Amino acid sequence: GQNIDQPTEMTATEGAIVQINCTYQTSGFNGLFWYQQHAGEAPTFLSYNVLDGLEEKGRFSSFLSRSKGYSYLLLKELQMKDSASYLCAAAPGTGNNRKLIWGLGTSLAVNP
Amino acid sequence: DVKVTQSSRYLVKRTGEKVFLECVQDMDHENMFWYRQDPGLGLRLIYFSYDVKMKEKGDIPEGYSVSREKKERFSLILESASTNQTSMYLCASRGSGGNQPQHFGDGTRLSIL
Repeated sequence: GQNIDQPTEMTATEGAIVQINCTYQTSGFNGLFWYQQHAGEAPTFLSYNVLDGLEEKGRFSSFLSRSKGYSYLLLKELQMKDSASYLCAAAPGTGNNRKLIWGLGTSLAVNP
Repeated sequence: DVKVTQSSRYLVKRTGEKVFLECVQDMDHENMFWYRQDPGLGLRLIYFSYDVKMKEKGDIPEGYSVSREKKERFSLILESASTNQTSMYLCASRGSGGNQPQHFGDGTRLSIL
């Protein structure tokens, strides 16, 4: 079957670094997306990885290992406004790849 | 910037009513999606459309239908609303190409009484 696993909750301290992991199993693979969702709001796109390695975008970086079916989102210099749910979503590479397979999200609480 | 607009932020309807949720996107995207999001269950795909008048069932289509008569507009219809359809409904659109992200509307919080 196809599924995605990510931790349910994490806590971290303002100014610190946190790594949110995601493992996936899909029929074929056409990339992995990370989204941020604040409470009561819609998800917003953060990053996309399709090749192995690290992609950096300011305080946020995303890593992918295709052979291990593994990705992580790294948040540096944490701010209170980073408290949100982080969703991992994989694009299957076979059949209709317009759909994404979504994780349940990791709720991150940033404490002062 | 991509703009996905959902017709209502909050909606209250009664059991048995026919409910229409509207979504409009301004980026000429081929693909549009309807999800519902419930605590502990994450995003669940109801229906999606990859072209005008084309639709495919998602993971939980029962009790819903959709309409896509124009490329920019994708409507979700609750044929006979039930209390278990109380949820947050999110519309998204996506361009063609594997690296294109889905862009979401602000969501409609629907309560069925």
